[in-house]
Amino acid sequence: DAKTTQPNSMESNEEEPVHLPCNHSTISGTDYIHWYRQLPSQGPEYVIHGLTSNVNNRMASLAIAEDRKSSTLILHRATLRDAAVYYCILLTNFGNEKLTFGTGTRLTIIP
Amino acid sequence: SQTIHQWPATLVQPVGSPLSLECTVEGTSNPNLYWYRQAAGRGLQLLFYSVGIGQISSEVPQNLSASRPQDRQFILSSKKLLLSDSGFYLCAWSRNDQQYFGPGTRLTVT
Repeated sequence: DAKTTQPNSMESNEEEPVHLPCNHSTISGTDYIHWYRQLPSQGPEYVIHGLTSNVNNRMASLAIAEDRKSSTLILHRATLRDAAVYYCILLTNFGNEKLTFGTGTRLTIIP
Repeated sequence: SQTIHQWPATLVQPVGSPLSLECTVEGTSNPNLYWYRQAAGRGLQLLFYSVGIGQISSEVPQNLSASRPQDRQFILSSKKLLLSDSGFYLCAWSRNDQQYFGPGTRLTVT
């Protein structure tokens, strides 16, 4: 599986946008880019995923570089409840999704 | 709607004792099921996954085992716990392009 690289930690002020970067320079043409987040003492939860085009949902937006070697998860207006570890994961095969979690980015929201 | 349950929520067991963690999924059929472990301060590690009853694949060799006696039931077991088995155990199921995690079991081996 292709590897992803994320900063270990980031801080953001409450009610401001947050841009969480992820590098995946060895991504293959069939890899989907998935984002999960893990709140303290909870299991991870799905945030968003995409292949080539930018994606939006109620939780966040995903901006994918044209060469697909990097992507950015965008939280438009961070709240204290967004404090979590965010994982960027590449998946090739749907139907048997074995998620490989890296260390992720620990996001701290400053009130 | 689909829900996933895990029990117990917390568990403290002595070294050498057996272990049985249970996971059940409601509201779906024939899900892919997964067991993950998260050691303190570490990322999640996939332990086992199952695509059907009686079909178990192991990702990491260890003293743990998994079984799937029913379509929506996934059990993680050990005959003799080690100190290194302490951690946060998460069960998950998947459909299409998303994976859904349970609330987890926090295991402390003393």
